[in-house]
Amino acid sequence: EIVLTQSPGTLSLSPGERATLSCRASQSVSSSYLAWYQQKPGQAPRLLIYGASSRATGVPDRFSGSGSGTDFTLTISRLEPEDFAVYYCQQYGSSPLWTFGQGTKVEIK
Amino acid sequence: EVQLVESGGGLVQPGGSLRLSCAVSGFSFTDYSMNWVRQAPGKGLEWVSYIRKSGNTISYADSVKGRFTISRDSAKNSVYLQMNSLRAEDTALYYCARVRGSGDLDYWGQGTLVTVSS
Repeated sequence: EIVLTQSPGTLSLSPGERATLSCRASQSVSSSYLAWYQQKPGQAPRLLIYGASSRATGVPDRFSGSGSGTDFTLTISRLEPEDFAVYYCQQYGSSPLWTFGQGTKVEIK
Repeated sequence: EVQLVESGGGLVQPGGSLRLSCAVSGFSFTDYSMNWVRQAPGKGLEWVSYIRKSGNTISYADSVKGRFTISRDSAKNSVYLQMNSLRAEDTALYYCARVRGSGDLDYWGQGTLVTVSS
């Protein structure tokens, strides 16, 4: 069973700062099948990044994804007030078919 | 506009059953596979079940296998989740989500809350 571990659990930053979120897999994940989501309180998750590095429709270019194998990163170049939220990584294809990381909360410092 | 609207949640006693529905609009339902994903209160996301666009491939998380059944009706543009033998740990907000070929979930409903409690 593949496990995705996100770090840190909470990231305390100020608007305008750079955020770097990590997602580590217990075994190699195809980059084609690694995605990132943003979830705000009371809302459904929103797809941000798919294929490890491709931005979903309408996602600002301050969001970028990178990585391969077992190590993936979501970077927010300059935090805007609306970016404070919980972020999840997700893989597809290994047993179980879909796995999510436990989430990283980006909070205002 | 793509829309996914879940319904059918509620309060049920342990051992009871519920049937969730997800009605979709704004896209060709037969062109997409669908997932159910749940989120326990204050917790992260957990994949529950998958049904291929053709309906001929289905998969479940181990935590619900043998108790939950996913299905779809193209005539009603809907996907369903029949949940039997419910347990307290099934308490969660249940989302349906559209699956793209790369396995990412590009559209989500707002969720329906299932509470299992005596």
